[in-house]
Amino acid sequence: NAGVTQTPKFQVLKTGQSMTLQCAQDMNHEYMSWYRQDPGMGLRLIHYSVGAGITDQGEVPNGYNVSRSTTEDFPLRLLSAAPSQTSVYFCASVKHRGYIYNYGYTFGSGTRLTVV
Amino acid sequence: AQKITQTQPGMFVQEKEAVTLDCTYDTSDPSYGLFWYKQPSSGEMIFLIYQGSYDQQNATEGRYSLNFQKARKSANLVISASQLGDSAMYFCAMRTTLKTSYDKVIFGPGTSLSVIP
Repeated sequence: NAGVTQTPKFQVLKTGQSMTLQCAQDMNHEYMSWYRQDPGMGLRLIHYSVGAGITDQGEVPNGYNVSRSTTEDFPLRLLSAAPSQTSVYFCASVKHRGYIYNYGYTFGSGTRLTVV
Repeated sequence: AQKITQTQPGMFVQEKEAVTLDCTYDTSDPSYGLFWYKQPSSGEMIFLIYQGSYDQQNATEGRYSLNFQKARKSANLVISASQLGDSAMYFCAMRTTLKTSYDKVIFGPGTSLSVIP
């Protein structure tokens, strides 16, 4: 019962570098999303996906790309890292049932990213 | 615009006492859901409790209960008989429905709870 697996757990990047944060879930969840967590701001939605081949932007999408080629995987790509992208990134998933569900997201353990 | 407000950046409670963490929300959507998550110092996010906008009764899960006042747009979390392990950040969140029928969840800034022995 792996749940949601995020890799890496820690990463240091130089400004301008690109990288991909990996997220995989084994619960056959339709809905997956990426959040960033910054002190005093809670979690802010970056991108989300309601199924393979379908993605959409959240509150803070600039500087990030996503794709969803399979139900299991939802990678987040930083195109050209900037210090403002220093944050903790969480991937989350849920069995999407439209408007009606009464259970919470399953979160990954997070990736702590520092851009210098 | 949808928004979650948590006005208590930090709270202290004596062990075994009850504590209320405040959450107010703003949405024009008649159908929505409210969640509370716990984030201990280890960093993982733990789902605690859910309240639907059409639910008639306040949600309860063990020592957690949600004081839902729809007219005031508040969804306060009540933790009874606090334990040292309850020390953590607590986030209130709201599921909103977009016009495309794809929903998303937004989070408040969080409240840091410290339980004192």
